[in-house]
Amino acid sequence: DAGVTQSPTHLIKTRGQHVTLRCSPISGHKSVSWYQQVLGQGPQFIFQYYEKEERGRGNFPDRFSARQFPNYSSELNVNALLLGDSALYLCASSLDPTAQLSSYNSPLHFGNGTRLTVT
Amino acid sequence: GDSVTQMEGPVTLSEEAFLTINCTYTATGYPSLFWYVQYPGEGLQLLLKATKADDKGSNKGFEATYRKETTSFHLEKGSVQVSDSAVYFCALPYNQGGKLIFGQGTELSVKP
Repeated sequence: DAGVTQSPTHLIKTRGQHVTLRCSPISGHKSVSWYQQVLGQGPQFIFQYYEKEERGRGNFPDRFSARQFPNYSSELNVNALLLGDSALYLCASSLDPTAQLSSYNSPLHFGNGTRLTVT
Repeated sequence: GDSVTQMEGPVTLSEEAFLTINCTYTATGYPSLFWYVQYPGEGLQLLLKATKADDKGSNKGFEATYRKETTSFHLEKGSVQVSDSAVYFCALPYNQGGKLIFGQGTELSVKP
């Protein structure tokens, strides 16, 4: 089975531009979460979506938005890019948002990320 | 608020050396605790977890014990290999579902 897939793998944008990142969850997974990982830091939670509805949002400005489609894939959009938005953007999928994180197999499965560079 | 603090890296060891990566946390109650590993160019993978106090998680020779008295979840391995070179993250969940708070990560480099 395919894991979580993200596209593109790398992206270079200019300040002020807009970017769309895409994520396809593992088949059967209905929840998608997005994380931002700045170089040298741990991932920071941005959004969680389940059944096309936003279930949680981290401390990110309104320039960041996301949506989930009927096939459970998701897009992360960032407007008016800043240099500080340069990071690895990780998508993670799980069966549902209430799955206990104490289960033996992590309910969070991460993709390899999209490396965004803003110049 | 809830938080996770890890020892700073990078940590450089010779093959077969003993590894300890410290992790302490602040949380309400007694959440599950996790160690994730990120190999170069890849996403995060769950390495091990513990669900309650005094639990010991283990996987691939790595171990970590959930100690509520010291609010710690230190990662250990008795004999590291070059293939263990990666960045290790301590994490705990907050609210419900798939949201994790991560530490800043500790880079491990193992030399032959």
